[in-house]
Amino acid sequence: ELVMTQSPATLSVSPGERATLSCRASQSVSSNLAWYQQKPGQAPKLLIYDASTRATGIPARFSGSGSGTDFTLTISSLQSEDFAVYYCQQYHNWPLLFGQGTRLEIK
Amino acid sequence: QVQLVESGGGGVQPGRPLRLSCAASGFTFSRYGMHWVRQAPGKGLEWVAVISYNGRHKYYADSVKGRFTISRDNSKNTLDLQMNSLRADDTALYYCAKDNSPVYDAFDLWGQGTMVTVSS
Repeated sequence: ELVMTQSPATLSVSPGERATLSCRASQSVSSNLAWYQQKPGQAPKLLIYDASTRATGIPARFSGSGSGTDFTLTISSLQSEDFAVYYCQQYHNWPLLFGQGTRLEIK
Repeated sequence: QVQLVESGGGGVQPGRPLRLSCAASGFTFSRYGMHWVRQAPGKGLEWVAVISYNGRHKYYADSVKGRFTISRDNSKNTLDLQMNSLRADDTALYYCAKDNSPVYDAFDLWGQGTMVTVSS
């Protein structure tokens, strides 16, 4: 059974610094991996799809990398609006699965 | 305006049914697969079900298989989720979401969700 694991569960970073979030699949999902951002009281927002393609309107400070089982979301210089929960999601196999999320908080 | 608007949520007793709907606008609804995703209070995201653009293919999470049925009406630009035999652990905010492309893909458009509370 496929499992998506995100790390760390919580990441504390200062504004202006770089944040690196990880997502690992228990088996290969090729490049069928997306990243979402969710702020309190809001629906998730697509940031990255196909592991490394930014969705429409997403700033260049967000970048995704990886393929197979190991993926990374990097936010190059954190802005105040970036503090949120981030989820990865695989869409390679059924059932579709989300990771448990990484909470990015202000240090 | 490109949007998805869910409705139909509310309080329901365990074992009872409930039907959710999602109204789509601003895009060619019949070209895209559509999904339901839920989020229990204070928890993460859980994918629930998908229906292909033409309604011919449906897949479900194991947790809802046999109890929930996803459907769509491309003439009305609506997506539905019939939920039967509801349990307390079905309590969640239910989102509808659209595929990013005409093939199964990431979700590029989400509604604001409709809350379902299962309690006696």
